[in-house]
Amino acid sequence: AQSVTQLGSHVSVSEGALVLLRCNYSSSVPPYLFWYVQYPNQGLQLLLKYTTGATLVKGINGFEAEFKKSETSFHLTKPSAHMSDAAEYFCAVTPANAGGTSYGKLTFGQGTILTVHP
Amino acid sequence: GAVVSQHPSRVICKSGTSVKIECRSLDFQATTMFWYRQFPKKSLMLMATSNEGSKATYEQGVEKDKFLINHASLTLSTLTVTSAHPEDSSFYICSARGASGTYEQYFGPGTRLTVT
Repeated sequence: AQSVTQLGSHVSVSEGALVLLRCNYSSSVPPYLFWYVQYPNQGLQLLLKYTTGATLVKGINGFEAEFKKSETSFHLTKPSAHMSDAAEYFCAVTPANAGGTSYGKLTFGQGTILTVHP
Repeated sequence: GAVVSQHPSRVICKSGTSVKIECRSLDFQATTMFWYRQFPKKSLMLMATSNEGSKATYEQGVEKDKFLINHASLTLSTLTVTSAHPEDSSFYICSARGASGTYEQYFGPGTRLTVT
């Protein structure tokens, strides 16, 4: 079974400041990890993903995340926040190489609302 | 590429009526579609997984007779909320996954259902 914990339901930063959104996961098998962004009344847009290979992954809009197996973490960062980054962010996990009905099923964290102040 | 649409984007219906929500993959064939429900200020809860041409697999606690899912073609899945009640009011989001062997899901824009 998988679970995802996002520390901090709300994060507030100033424009130009570092953005750090925390995600820890629990998985009995190697995971694939994702970060999604959701703007009000819209669906989810994929920011980035980790499957295999390089543990530091870069996504859209200047975001990146690092898979740290020893810490079971996949924190999302952006060096300099922009007003347009204000949204809700979800971390998600799916078991790698799972078969049957578990294949590709995403387990989401609770979400973190990012507010960016001028 | 990989665009998923939902229709309608918003719907208001009266208690006791049924409402159908469509999810379409516009530029790829979706062998699997997922239906999620999102409560206000909450995360996404997976309701069911549907594979084209077969019955949907519902998550524990989801009433299959209330939330009817049909995945009749490789580009269309529908969710019908039967005998809707105010507590069914929510944001419903679908996602679609392509051919077997791929894991990435593409999400629709969501449907806001309000039952009065």
